[in-house]
Amino acid sequence: GESVGLHLPTLSVQEGDNSIINCAYSNSASDYFIWYKQESGKGPQFIIDIRSNMDKRQGQRVTVLLNKTVKHLSLQIAATQPGDSAVYFCAEGTGNQFYFGTGTSLTVIP
Amino acid sequence: DADVTQTPRNRITKTGKRIMLECSQTKGHDRMYWYRQDPGLGLRLIYYSFDVKDINKGEISDGYSVSRQAQAKFSLSLESAIPNQTALYFCATSDPPRPQYFGPGTRLLVL
Repeated sequence: GESVGLHLPTLSVQEGDNSIINCAYSNSASDYFIWYKQESGKGPQFIIDIRSNMDKRQGQRVTVLLNKTVKHLSLQIAATQPGDSAVYFCAEGTGNQFYFGTGTSLTVIP
Repeated sequence: DADVTQTPRNRITKTGKRIMLECSQTKGHDRMYWYRQDPGLGLRLIYYSFDVKDINKGEISDGYSVSRQAQAKFSLSLESAIPNQTALYFCATSDPPRPQYFGPGTRLLVL
């Protein structure tokens, strides 16, 4: 199967700071990448996605960067807030099936 | 996401029992999926369906079966539950090229 991994299992940041969550993927054929946020007791919530023909995409307070050369994906959260505390995981795929990372737990310190 | 609902939200059952987890969606998507989530592991695909007449096994389908009763409904059954099927189960829908949208999950404990 595919391997989708995260560099760090936990991340703590001060409120107001920027957060960066990283993800490595292994399948060069993957052309679609997604970041999800999962709060305790809830299902994964879509945050942002990016296709392989792009290297950067911005949303509201979030930016996803894709480096296909080293098969690396990152999620940047600007001005991190307490409500951002959750597990974040990436997914890679080709549209029909997706492979999910194990997640990084983000804790925001007030 | 209220567009994808799962019932029950929590379930405790005993080894050997047959149970069914249900998923309904109002998003109008053709594609539906069942995943399980275990601590330390990413979501793993159990079964998926691209339309009412199309059912496909995922990477961990052994011990599970599914039924796609309508475009909006996709049920997952454990024919004879075993303790290592204790997990969080998520239903998802998609309408490519858009991402998958997940339900709130069912927490299953098999004693």
